[in-house]
Amino acid sequence: EAQVTQNPRYLITVTGKKLTVTCSQNMNHEYMSWYRQDPGLGLRQIYYSMNVEVTDKGDVPEGYKVSRKEKRNFPLILESPSPNQTSLYFCAAKSLAGYEQYFGPGTRLTVT
Amino acid sequence: GDSVTQMEGPVTLSEEAFLTINCTYTATGYPSLFWYVQYPGEGLQLLLKATKADDKGSNKGFEATYRKETTSFHLEKGSVQVSDSAVYFCAPNSGYSTLTFGKGTMLLVSP
Repeated sequence: EAQVTQNPRYLITVTGKKLTVTCSQNMNHEYMSWYRQDPGLGLRQIYYSMNVEVTDKGDVPEGYKVSRKEKRNFPLILESPSPNQTSLYFCAAKSLAGYEQYFGPGTRLTVT
Repeated sequence: GDSVTQMEGPVTLSEEAFLTINCTYTATGYPSLFWYVQYPGEGLQLLLKATKADDKGSNKGFEATYRKETTSFHLEKGSVQVSDSAVYFCAPNSGYSTLTFGKGTMLLVSP
């Protein structure tokens, strides 16, 4: 079954404490992406990756880092989280030859 | 870059009512067009797509037609069910892979 998994699903942390949200896909897809979803703003892309070791900024990259050392994994790193990064985060994967993006179940992050 | 305008919600309907959610877009070239749906507590999933002008995408009773002349991709369903309550996102894609999502339209269907 095609699957994108994210961990953790829920996280409450404090300002400045580094955290990583993991994303893994089992479809061998080249393209992976991170979005954040906020009320009234819809989904905004944070970073994306076209393949291993290839990453690029999306619309709202400030305060985030990513890496793509393996095809299946695309972790999102917040080096020094701030309250304005409180949001619902989604990871997605897609084959470059196809149309559909497959989304993970989401990670709800609260930064106090 | 691409942009999308969706009607604001929430859209509140009674079961078996007719649904229209408007979507207009601006994009370079000839984008593919998508509707994604997000059920409560879940990630987004593809509902339907259309890849060229006049194509009609359909799935689960929902339909949308790619209207190039009006740059629109309105979502319709003839008879909604309570289980259709969700947030619906319109998304054009004229780039290689990056989608631009609308802000989403919440649909609430009451029995």
